Amino acid sequence: TQLLEQSPQFLSIQEGENLTVYCNSSSVFSSLQWYRQEPGEGPVLLVTVVTGGEVKKLKRLTFQFGDARKDSSLHITAAQPGDTGLYLCAGARGAGGTSYGKLTFGQGTILTVHP
Amino acid sequence: GAGVSQSPRYKVAKRGQDVALRCDPISGHVSLFWYQQALGQGPEFLTYFQNEAQLDKSGLPSDRFFAERPEGSVSTLKIQRTQQEDSAVYLCASSLKTLNQPQHFGDGTRLSIL
Repeated sequence: TQLLEQSPQFLSIQEGENLTVYCNSSSVFSSLQWYRQEPGEGPVLLVTVVTGGEVKKLKRLTFQFGDARKDSSLHITAAQPGDTGLYLCAGARGAGGTSYGKLTFGQGTILTVHP
Repeated sequence: GAGVSQSPRYKVAKRGQDVALRCDPISGHVSLFWYQQALGQGPEFLTYFQNEAQLDKSGLPSDRFFAERPEGSVSTLKIQRTQQEDSAVYLCASSLKTLNQPQHFGDGTRLSIL
């Protein structure tokens, strides 16, 4: 059961364009993390958002956590070929007192930025 | 090394063979997670250790899957009587403590079952 719906699954754009990736759920998460993964490598953490309504910026990347802590978005401004990769959102939930940070991942967005 | 190390990077086995995948977490990291990632998909949780204690194994697909972390450091994921559907990338991650701590991932072991 996929608790996190990520969209779009594929995104192919030209260098300089802007894009937004969405991550939605019907469940509340204690925190939400965004990762980027390159072929043959493990996911690398980009950001963690914890507070509902929180906005974090990392250079050209802007991350937002929904007020109800059920959804998040990643916006990239002026995309570059180096941004190409698989972007993953992952939610952590503390359930029944077991708050150890088990992650539920979305299915990922494969981004290709053409020069 | 400074990061999470996994070995082997690639493993090819015949259906029915047993395999063992190793994870060497970042030194001092209490939490260790195993995930399974199918091609083009996000990772799926398999199991979690806090030090040597396996606190959650709810994601293990069947009783053919077994994980251990006997001394609270290196962990091994073992798959017995492998099946073709076991083919995937197996990722290990560690974190310093528990909730809201960033998880640091290894580069995974790509397992192919022929």
